[in-house]
Order: sequence, then C-alpha cells, then structure tokens
Amino acid sequence: DGGITQSPKYLFRKEGQNVTLSCEQNLNHDAMYWYRQDPGQGLRLIYYSQIVNDFQKGDIAEGYSVSREKKESFPLTVTSAQKNPTAFYLCASRTGTGFTGANVLTFGAGSRLTVL
Amino acid sequence: QKEVEQDPGPLSVPEGAIVSLNCTYSNSAFQYFMWYRQYSRKGPELLMYTYSSGNKEDGRFTAQVDKSSKYISLFIRDSQPSDSATYLCAMSRGGNYQLIWGAGTKLIIKP
Repeated sequence: DGGITQSPKYLFRKEGQNVTLSCEQNLNHDAMYWYRQDPGQGLRLIYYSQIVNDFQKGDIAEGYSVSREKKESFPLTVTSAQKNPTAFYLCASRTGTGFTGANVLTFGAGSRLTVL
Repeated sequence: QKEVEQDPGPLSVPEGAIVSLNCTYSNSAFQYFMWYRQYSRKGPELLMYTYSSGNKEDGRFTAQVDKSSKYISLFIRDSQPSDSATYLCAMSRGGNYQLIWGAGTKLIIKP
C-alpha cells in the first residue's frame, strides 16, 4: 500500500543533541512537508520541498534543517539551536507542483520528540 | 488575529447526536476548504474538501462553506464513539499556496 512512513515513532533527546526524523513516501508525490504540532496550536509549517534538491523555509524553520536528495525521502534534523523542540512532528506529501487544484496533503503517522 | 479561528473544545456530545464543528477565517482569497480528522497520536487524514461556496455531503458528513460570512462548518449526523477525534479545518488559495490551519476541535462522543 502507498503511504508515508515516519520513524522513529517516539524519540527522546538530551539537551544539546541533534536528532534526525525520517520521512519516506512511496506515493510518487513531488512535494513534501514537515509540520510541527503543539497542543491548541494546530499545524505549523517548518520546511517544504517541491522538487528534489530544493526546499523552502516555512513559518518556524529556525533550529531545523532538511535535505531532499531523493524524491522519496525528506529527513528533518532538529538541531540544538531549537529552543523548545518537544512536540509532535508530522511529515506530509502531495502530488503535483504548479497545478491549480486543491493542495490536499497525505500525512504520515507522526514522530513524538521529547527533550529530557 | 489568526487567519483561521477554530474553537479547541473539547466538545462532548451523546452518541447519535448531530455535531456541528466550525471555523472562521479572514482571508477572502481562500478558495479550497478542507476538514481533516486526527485520532490521538496519529497523523491527520482528509475527510472532505470543498471548492468555493456550497455544501458537500459524504455519508454522515456534510461540509458547508459560506464565503460571504467567511465561515465553514462540518456536520456529523448520527455521531458514533468512533468519531471521537480532533477535527482540523484547513484552507488555501489552492495550487502552490500553503494550507492555513485551524487549531483543531477535540470531539468526544459519549456512548
């Protein structure tokens, strides 16, 4: 079945450590996204990528980094510069870049990061 | 002021009741309106999307958009305990414009 796989599901990090969250999709989607979800705040966009080797900052990119070396993969690194990294992280994708239709997203199951 | 406002709840109703979930928005350029359902510790899944104004029905779910009032609604008929989840509204201009999300409303259906 096609879908988005995020790993790990749960991750614990000590302060000062970088961690990388994995996101892999087999939907043949062009665009991929990383969102952060905190209680009562909805989804906030961290980074997005519309094609391989290109990505754009979202609303809250500070303290995060990404890469898009393959169409299927869009890993997110939470660096030590992120002051409050404890959150639920969601990866999403959608088909097409530059079309004019609804930008419906498909989401992974999420990764919960806790800083100890 | 947020572009999209959504009451976070929780909203608790008895099984079988009609549920009304709502969002208001400020940007008149929004053309696509979506509702996602998110179960605890899972990713959101698309329930319905609507283009421009009007109603759209899918089984027990009806999405309604009133662009003149900048107000969208999701109605759930004959609510079931399995409908207990957080419901997120999202909207955009379409194409490559980003989705703008509401905070999500937590819905609890009591058996």
